[in-house]
Amino acid sequence: KQEVTQIPAALSVPEGENLVLNCSFTDSAIYNLQWFRQDPGKGLTSLLLIQSSQREQTSGRLNASLDKSSGRSTLYIAASQPGDSATYLCATDNYGQNFVFGPGTRLSVLP
Amino acid sequence: GAVVSQHPSWVICKSGTSVKIECRSLDFQATTMFWYRQFPKQSLMLMATSNEGSKATYEQGVEKDKFLINHASLTLSTLTVTSAHPEDSSFYICSAMGGGYGTGELFFGEGSRLTVL
Repeated sequence: KQEVTQIPAALSVPEGENLVLNCSFTDSAIYNLQWFRQDPGKGLTSLLLIQSSQREQTSGRLNASLDKSSGRSTLYIAASQPGDSATYLCATDNYGQNFVFGPGTRLSVLP
Repeated sequence: GAVVSQHPSWVICKSGTSVKIECRSLDFQATTMFWYRQFPKQSLMLMATSNEGSKATYEQGVEKDKFLINHASLTLSTLTVTSAHPEDSSFYICSAMGGGYGTGELFFGEGSRLTVL
């Protein structure tokens, strides 16, 4: 059964810093991996989707990488801004199993 | 990206009443939709998978008679919390798969916060 973990659980950085969020999964048999953002009391917003055949995806200041063999994905946020403050979740789309979500990383970007 | 609309955003009800939450895919057809529950400061917990035209598949521990799911069309799934009790108070989120299962991206509704008095 797939298990997804995220490190760190919480992160606080000053504005302008580059930062990396980590996602690990135990079963490499995945269709894809997706990163989401959730603002307090809101639904999830899809940030990046990485297909299993891909190694990375980029959107603006965000870059996500995927290493299936090691069961890891990272979300890189460049030049962080206070508006980036949110909880970031990764989720795997798994063979024979539904999406499995990590517990999330709560990010605070201080002005 | 694709848009999923969820309604209502907030609902307060008395204990013992039933509440219906709608999840609509606005600009794409979704044969599969998912319903989640989220407790404060915790990640999403999958409740059930809703398939258009067939019965929903519930996760272990989720009462199907308590949480009724109907997916009557390719753009609408509903979750009805029957005989709601205070312990059912939670944040409920739906999502829909775009592009076919296993290859598509998952899009989420805005969530519905249920408070049962």
